Amino acid sequence: EVQLVQSGAEVKKPGESLRISCKGSGYSFTSNWISWVRQMPGKGLEWMGRIDPSDSYINYSPSFQGHVTISADKSIGTAYLQWSSLKASDTAMYYCARLGRTGGVPAICDYWGQGTLVTVSS
Amino acid sequence: EIVLTQSPGTLSLSPGERATLSCRASQSISSTYLAWYQQKPGRAPRLLVYATSSRATGISDRFSGSGSGTDFTLTISRLEPEDFAVYYCQQYGSSPSYTFGQGTKLEIK
Repeated sequence: EVQLVQSGAEVKKPGESLRISCKGSGYSFTSNWISWVRQMPGKGLEWMGRIDPSDSYINYSPSFQGHVTISADKSIGTAYLQWSSLKASDTAMYYCARLGRTGGVPAICDYWGQGTLVTVSS
Repeated sequence: EIVLTQSPGTLSLSPGERATLSCRASQSISSTYLAWYQQKPGRAPRLLVYATSSRATGISDRFSGSGSGTDFTLTISRLEPEDFAVYYCQQYGSSPSYTFGQGTKLEIK
């Protein structure tokens, strides 16, 4: 069974750093890209970026480029999303999702993690 | 950048009725790269339909997708209580980009 298990909820202060994780199991971790998706309170889904765990090649959404860093450690089947200096506006639920292929392209989020709630407040 | 606009914003129906959700793209997109997701409160989204009309693993045949070009539809044939949720369409673009619609909330009437 494919599973993505994310790290637990975080409460941080503005300016602090943070790294959250997403551990894949039940499939070959290096066979599928992993995406990160933001959902702000009461809002819709926003794609942040994706990583190919086989070689750590990354694409960022222009909206998030420079604001977050995506990485992965294939030896332990885990992807990461990190911030160097959090802002209150980073308060949101963050999901990782495995990218499945249609038409040979990693185009769909076929399995999702349970989400990590990040709260940034002074 | 392609924008996906979903309508209606909220759909109020009763169990047993048929639901029709619309997703319109700002320009023509490949039907191969159009998907639908369901999200229940406090839960992660779940893939329902991909490539416009293919149901994901374990998804009831009450869910069906159709469309082409700029207009796509998710139909739920006979609403069950567990179907009341928020639904998102999503398209993949070659930049790469993954764009979601703003969502349709399906609520019990």
